[in-house]
Amino acid sequence: DAGVTQSPTHLIKTRGQQVTLRCSPISGHKSVSWYQQVLGQGPQFIFQYYEKEERGRGNFPDRFSARQFPNYSSELNVNALLLGDSALYLCASSLASGTGSFYGYTFGSGTRLTVV
Amino acid sequence: SQQGEEDPQALSIQEGENATMNCSYKTSINNLQWYRQNSGRGLVHLILIRSNEREKHSGRLRVTLDTSKKSSSLLITASRAADTASYFCATDSGAGSYQLTFGKGTKLSVIP
Repeated sequence: DAGVTQSPTHLIKTRGQQVTLRCSPISGHKSVSWYQQVLGQGPQFIFQYYEKEERGRGNFPDRFSARQFPNYSSELNVNALLLGDSALYLCASSLASGTGSFYGYTFGSGTRLTVV
Repeated sequence: SQQGEEDPQALSIQEGENATMNCSYKTSINNLQWYRQNSGRGLVHLILIRSNEREKHSGRLRVTLDTSKKSSSLLITASRAADTASYFCATDSGAGSYQLTFGKGTKLSVIP
């Protein structure tokens, strides 16, 4: 079975540009979450989507947006990139909706974004 | 913001020894999980313990949870070089969302 797949694996962008990161969850998983991990820190929650609806948003500026498609894949968009946006962006999928039992997330390998 | 704080920040042991990592958190939780991360890549889910559980085992892993002290520990027994990685605890509060709050992690080095 394919795990959580993220693309691209690496990306270099210039300050002020826009970037789109993509994530395909495990087949059957309807919940997708995005996390940002700055070097030396733990991941920080950005968004959670379930059944194409936003279920949670972390403390990130409006430059960050996301959406989930009917096939449950997801995109994370970041506009007006800053040097501080350089990080590993992780996507995680789960069966959990937020109301039932939760057994943990399966994470993708991440997209390493470098802003220069 | 970081909810959990892992202790120690770094740990170096010999292969075959046991490794113990601790995690403290600040607010009430629904579940606590431990994840492993190799070389800054994706996280691998190790074990989940619910707030009404006190101890859980999975292979060479043993997790304890003390909700009165808001702390958890992860014990890896008979460590192997392949256990070298960063280990993170993550909590969720339930309440309709399984948003995870991570600590800063413990970097474990197992020396062959």
